[in-house]
Amino acid sequence: ETGVTQTPRHLVMGMTNKKSLKCEQHLGHNAMYWYKQSAKKPLELMFVYNFKEQTENNSVPSRFSPECPNSSHLFLHLHTLQPEDSALYLCASRGAAVSSETQYFGPGTRLLVL
Amino acid sequence: AQKITQTQPGMFVQEKEAVTLDCTYDTSDPSYGLFWYKQPSSGEMIFLIYQGSYDQQNATEGRYSLNFQKARKSANLVISASQLGDSAMYFCAMRMNYGGSQGNLIFGKGTKLSVKP
Repeated sequence: ETGVTQTPRHLVMGMTNKKSLKCEQHLGHNAMYWYKQSAKKPLELMFVYNFKEQTENNSVPSRFSPECPNSSHLFLHLHTLQPEDSALYLCASRGAAVSSETQYFGPGTRLLVL
Repeated sequence: AQKITQTQPGMFVQEKEAVTLDCTYDTSDPSYGLFWYKQPSSGEMIFLIYQGSYDQQNATEGRYSLNFQKARKSANLVISASQLGDSAMYFCAMRMNYGGSQGNLIFGKGTKLSVKP
């Protein structure tokens, strides 16, 4: 596979469930991102990892828990979510050269919290 | 504070015509990058074109060109010869090259482009 992949593509969960979103990049990049895209809102940056270390947590509630075991994989663990967390969750990756690299996105996971 | 503004929530264009999507930005940093992404209804954000703040010439990628006017802080996307498949949301984004948020992107609210046959 090439590029950035995300699984699952669609997810429906109850507020008491625990689920995980997975992102994998095959681009040899070192930085990975989680974004949230709600209806009629700009893309919101959630978490940033550089070389497996979390470098940014954009005031995200603790019910979202990221994990980056290596530079190619990124997870977002979900527990006790709220209906307002329903959104498209996008993963992206970028190469090491900050000033010259483009972020490439995965296809996203559409999450519905009931 | 850094900011991206897209003032056109929706645009219509006739197939085979050109269309310009507006983007203005605000930053005090001398070094930054400007991007355009396309998001079809499927959800994936597709990278279209990039312009660096120090680039002297406007970026072009096939039917896409970026009209970069640094003094006006604008980075408009021009799509030539529109196709039905160009119907999508288009997002302008800015990357900071300095500071604690270097490498991160700030996105505008997007413009929904509809191409009419």
